[in-house]
Amino acid sequence: GQQLNQSPQSMFIQEGEDVSMNCTSSSIFNTWLWYKQDPGEGPVLLIALYKAGELTSNGRLTAQFGITRKDSFLNISASIPSDVGIYFCAGRRNYGQNFVFGPGTRLSVLP
Amino acid sequence: EAQVTQNPRYLITVTGKKLTVTCSQNMNHEYMSWYRQDPGLGLRQIYYSMNVEVTDKGDVPEGYKVSRKEKRNFPLILESPSPNQTSLYFCASSYPPGTGNLRLYGYTFGSGTRLTVV
Repeated sequence: GQQLNQSPQSMFIQEGEDVSMNCTSSSIFNTWLWYKQDPGEGPVLLIALYKAGELTSNGRLTAQFGITRKDSFLNISASIPSDVGIYFCAGRRNYGQNFVFGPGTRLSVLP
Repeated sequence: EAQVTQNPRYLITVTGKKLTVTCSQNMNHEYMSWYRQDPGLGLRQIYYSMNVEVTDKGDVPEGYKVSRKEKRNFPLILESPSPNQTSLYFCASSYPPGTGNLRLYGYTFGSGTRLTVV
């Protein structure tokens, strides 16, 4: 199946710092999704992106659909303890296809 | 409240003993799917269903069965569980891929079922 890579695999940051993570694919995608999974819960949709170059925000979160259509980026500004969790990207090549998920970036926020 | 409900949340079983994990959604979604989550591998799709009586294999279907007799329910069946099926399982639902409001493209996930096969 298709593979998505997420970087970094894990990160430890101080509360208040900004966070950047990315997701890359070997295929061109037409839709990117970013999910967050809190400990002990299922993933929850954060942001959806639908065209190359699109930049979309959701509070302190900003995600971008890469120009090449093979990558996407998620930034979190001024991190807080509740940002802790696993962040997953998901993408699909065409409308009507299933999404494929990345392995996730585990974020830890130190007080 | 719109949600996907999985049961049980936790299950410990022995090798070879058939089990079923239930999944129900109250959003009238046509599309439902099962994933397993393993460390370092992310979410891998087991089976999915585009609508009632329509199911198809995902990336890792071996050892699993599903059925979709009603729109709201999509049970996952392990006929003869083995230790390599120890994992965290998630059910998800959505409107059909490629249709409807763009904001509805994302999947809604259940809270997960942690299965241990000994």
